[in-house]
Amino acid sequence: AQKITQTQPGMFVQEKEAVTLDCTYDTSDPSYGLFWYKQPSSGEMIFLIYQGSYDQQNATEGRYSLNFQKARKSANLVISASQLGDSAMYFCAMSDQGGSEKLVFGKGMKLTVNP
Amino acid sequence: DARVTQTPRDKVTEMGQEVTMRCQPILGHNTVFWYRQTMMQGLELLAYFRNRAPLDDSGMPKDRFSAEMPDATLATLKIQPSEPRDSAVYFCASGLDIFSPYGYTFGSGTRLTVV
Repeated sequence: AQKITQTQPGMFVQEKEAVTLDCTYDTSDPSYGLFWYKQPSSGEMIFLIYQGSYDQQNATEGRYSLNFQKARKSANLVISASQLGDSAMYFCAMSDQGGSEKLVFGKGMKLTVNP
Repeated sequence: DARVTQTPRDKVTEMGQEVTMRCQPILGHNTVFWYRQTMMQGLELLAYFRNRAPLDDSGMPKDRFSAEMPDATLATLKIQPSEPRDSAVYFCASGLDIFSPYGYTFGSGTRLTVV
């Protein structure tokens, strides 16, 4: 069964610093996708970045990059040059073909960026 | 920008009443998910559809919840009868497949309060 683990309940970072949000996953399927979402206090779920299991390179989207370590089954999100607007809940999610491609989320973690 | 539209945005209802939440997925998306978010349980997958066919509704209390997709432009989630423990934010999300780099797009959610 699919499983996503986010063990950091909360993190604090200074503005302009980089921060890494941890995510580990568990699946026996070789075909899967990994996703990160941001949920600010307003409540909407914002898609940030995607990594496919067959992708050779780590995904990047602007200030977001995904540190994909397949053998360790980790998909950490790296935010460079943190901004105050990055303060939010962050969720890691996975979908695999063996699980009929259902999208399963971790419990999330709260990031606070301090000025 | 293409959006997933959910209605109503907020709903307050009395215990025992029927509640219907609606979702208009992005045109061309063939996968629709329904999630429930609470502080205690996080994001729970209730049901999802591929090409309008239900794939998995194992996360849904069958005795009171039902999910349908009468056509490609409408997905519904119904609770009958509603109970106070159903109070939560219900999200709909749509997308293509696990290999899409665009991820799944979420609606703004329906905040349900059952009193």
